[in-house]
Amino acid sequence: GAGVSQSPRYKVAKRGQDVALRCDPISGHVSLFWYQQALGQGPEFLTYFQNEAQLDKSGLPSDRFFAERPEGSVSTLKIQRTQQEDSAVYLCASSQTSGGAWNTGELFFGEGSRLTVL
Amino acid sequence: KQEVTQIPAALSVPEGENLVLNCSFTDSAIYNLQWFRQDPGKGLTSLLLIQSSQREQTSGRLNASLDKSSGRSTLYIAASQPGDSATYLCAARNDYKLSFGAGTTVTVRA
Repeated sequence: GAGVSQSPRYKVAKRGQDVALRCDPISGHVSLFWYQQALGQGPEFLTYFQNEAQLDKSGLPSDRFFAERPEGSVSTLKIQRTQQEDSAVYLCASSQTSGGAWNTGELFFGEGSRLTVL
Repeated sequence: KQEVTQIPAALSVPEGENLVLNCSFTDSAIYNLQWFRQDPGKGLTSLLLIQSSQREQTSGRLNASLDKSSGRSTLYIAASQPGDSATYLCAARNDYKLSFGAGTTVTVRA
């Protein structure tokens, strides 16, 4: 597609519900990232995929958070048993860069999924 | 861990003034530094990317400088317009990971 697409754009969940957020990266982009942005803050790294391999999940806040990219394109971020502190905008980004070329690597972001947990 | 700081947190200027946005980072071993614009309720739009070997990048009215040794980058926006009102974020890259500042929210008054 022309850009990174995320759905849903807005999600309201009751505390304890499970949610799934979807990301469609730019076609052909090898690398995919998830970031979490709290209100008034900069995005914080959650996880990184190179193709279908999850190379870094060190930013996931707890074991309630799970991300996958089974075929190396679309990715899903799942949050189980949502808590109020999970309320944030979840941003997905993709890049055609991988491996040792990160000095020129530019990231392209989607518009985000805003999660509100009541 | 890379820490990125942006000063000021907010800025209000009359139309036509030049804008100067500052970004500092603690780990100078960066691959590049990227400046983004974020409009309310929207994602991030990339403005400029400066590789670690470069000193500056220019695009139209935007100019970004990078001093890696002192851990600083500055974004200059010439002749500001009301349409420049947004939050500007800088992000330092170490390997594949981008670390963001909290942003500077700019208001350009007509």
